[in-house]
Amino acid sequence: DPKIIQKPKYLVAVTGSEKILICEQYLGHNAMYWYRQSAKKPLEFMFSYSYQKLMDNQTASSRFQPQSSKKNHLDLQITALKPDDSATYFCASSQAGTGNTGQLYFGEGSKLTVL
Amino acid sequence: TQTVSQSDAHVTVFEGDSVELRCNYSYGGSIYLSWYIQHHGRGLQFLLKYYSGNPVVQGVNGFEAEFSKSDSSFHLRKASVHWSDSAVYFCAVRNSGGSNAKLTFGKGTKLSVKS
Repeated sequence: DPKIIQKPKYLVAVTGSEKILICEQYLGHNAMYWYRQSAKKPLEFMFSYSYQKLMDNQTASSRFQPQSSKKNHLDLQITALKPDDSATYFCASSQAGTGNTGQLYFGEGSKLTVL
Repeated sequence: TQTVSQSDAHVTVFEGDSVELRCNYSYGGSIYLSWYIQHHGRGLQFLLKYYSGNPVVQGVNGFEAEFSKSDSSFHLRKASVHWSDSAVYFCAVRNSGGSNAKLTFGKGTKLSVKS
């Protein structure tokens, strides 16, 4: 059974619209992350959360907003979508703080195509 | 700032061959180094990591990696590859200081194993 569930697996959106990518993890981790993978930038860190608090944000645009309603959830809301946002978005989790020794667990990704 | 360089974008070998995938990093302090594998259309899976101790670390499926401080390298090796090892391999670095420091990934090396 997958321990990190990402929904939807594929989605198509029109320019200017808004989408939410869902991520739930069942590994008991307290740190969660979003990464983006595209042809231009193979694997790009976006956000990290620890105990539902934002720890690091490497995304320049405020159009990307993570949302953590529960400690095992970290959704990603993307507004005013642009074609350049087309990518596969990966959610990951790990032990928090000093427990994070570089071992992340990844979901299967949500592939977003913006037309 | 930590950086990771994977000099080979694509490596092709035959089944049963040995292979070495190269990774060089730059960072002045203590770091965690790790390798991940990504099969086509899937999320990343952890292979192995190094922080201290024996510079040769063993991972899953017969993979091992060797850390060299003098060369700033953490190359991944396998003595005899199988066709199922065909995938993209990512080297990653995380500094050991601070909580929840993000992983920085290299651009990946695509390994193709021919039968």
